[in-house]
Amino acid sequence: GAVVSQHPSRVICKSGTSVKIECRSLDFQATTMFWYRQFPKQSLMLMATSNEGSKATYEQGVEKDKFLINHASLTLSTLTVTSAHPEDSSFYICSAREWTGGDGYTFGSGTRLTVV
Amino acid sequence: AQKITQTQPGMFVQEKEAVTLDCTYDTSDPSYGLFWYKQPSSGEMIFLIYQGSYDQQNATEGRYSLNFQKARKSANLVISASQLGDSAMYFCAMRGPNSGYALNFGKGTSLLVTP
Repeated sequence: GAVVSQHPSRVICKSGTSVKIECRSLDFQATTMFWYRQFPKQSLMLMATSNEGSKATYEQGVEKDKFLINHASLTLSTLTVTSAHPEDSSFYICSAREWTGGDGYTFGSGTRLTVV
Repeated sequence: AQKITQTQPGMFVQEKEAVTLDCTYDTSDPSYGLFWYKQPSSGEMIFLIYQGSYDQQNATEGRYSLNFQKARKSANLVISASQLGDSAMYFCAMRGPNSGYALNFGKGTSLLVTP
């Protein structure tokens, strides 16, 4: 089946530094990638939607300059948390929609970010 | 705007029993999809079952079935013959054209299966 590889699975970074999270679709072309954030014991909240070759669409309240999303190819989307602060500590997970437009959504395994 | 409501923060069920997890939704889209995902403590999202708004029959996938009541706007998940490995968070989600086809998730239900 379709696989999205998300790396790193865990990262600890110092406050003020930047962290890049990658999601690669391994055996299909992901025209659309969704990025979610999940705080402990809470639901997945959509941060942004990215389509290959165009600028990401951010949800209300999500700072686009802080959470940089790049979707340069049909198999790779990245989320960069810039100037990270402790309140950015969270579980970040990507989800790809296959370009055939089917009902399938494939999730990455998630990245647990801790900012110290 | 779309809204997904899961009113059960936590549920207990005994092994081998059936359990129903509630989900209600609200949308103005005539075409939408409803999903259920399982999230164990590892964090991965495991797809369980899908129901399209135009599907005439309730979806079933092994031990999982979806009780779809369109007029009531409910899409409850039924897990039959519960197993200890079913203990996890369960999320109901909806997709619609007005959401840009992103999944909109409910708050989730924590299920604990006891021996």
